[in-house]
Amino acid sequence: NAGVMQNPRHLVRRRGQEARLRCSPMKGHSHVYWYRQLPEEGLKFMVYLQKENIIDESGMPKERFSAEFPKEGPSILRIQQVVRGDSAAYFCASSRANGYGSTNTGELFFGEGSRLTVL
Amino acid sequence: GQQVMQIPQYQHVQEGEDFTTYCNSSTTLSNIQWYKQRPGGHPVFLIQLVKSGEVKKQKRLTFQFGEAKKNSSLHITATQTTDVGTYFCAGRGTGGFKTIFGAGTRLFVKA
Repeated sequence: NAGVMQNPRHLVRRRGQEARLRCSPMKGHSHVYWYRQLPEEGLKFMVYLQKENIIDESGMPKERFSAEFPKEGPSILRIQQVVRGDSAAYFCASSRANGYGSTNTGELFFGEGSRLTVL
Repeated sequence: GQQVMQIPQYQHVQEGEDFTTYCNSSTTLSNIQWYKQRPGGHPVFLIQLVKSGEVKKQKRLTFQFGEAKKNSSLHITATQTTDVGTYFCAGRGTGGFKTIFGAGTRLFVKA
């Protein structure tokens, strides 16, 4: 009965390096969200994916950031050429499809987050 | 675009006092959820409201969804120190896919 698994839990990168964050949703969940959280702040929507499809990426910067959720394997959030401002906690959440197509049941189950520090 | 506002930002209460946080959306919502995040932790799903005017209770917690499906509230009766954390509302617009979070209300409870 594993929950949402995120790794790494902590990641340190130097400016200009790449950060790759992974998220395995709960069993039976085919929808994944990525959120970014700065200390003492709220959760900022980045991207919503289903298996092999990006449904909404309106919250994700167009440059340096990309996300995927392949047919097999975890969802990956990739940040290229990191800058200090990318330092944050990145949370993944999964949800179950509601059987009506491309939307989900609403409840989000979060992983413990990946905390990225850019030196 | 869709925005979800939440007030107050912070609330300090004495243990045993009641607490309420309010959530307002700029657009009509298909559903609203509430989450709790403990300091250093991750958001944990509490409840989802779907119907106009819906009220749900979980022990000392009461959740309401407005008639117009644009606002919601969470009320905690007789707070305890274990209630400490940040409470977030989150909603999905009608016809939309993404779930947008409010900024959260951080609750401090003094014993």
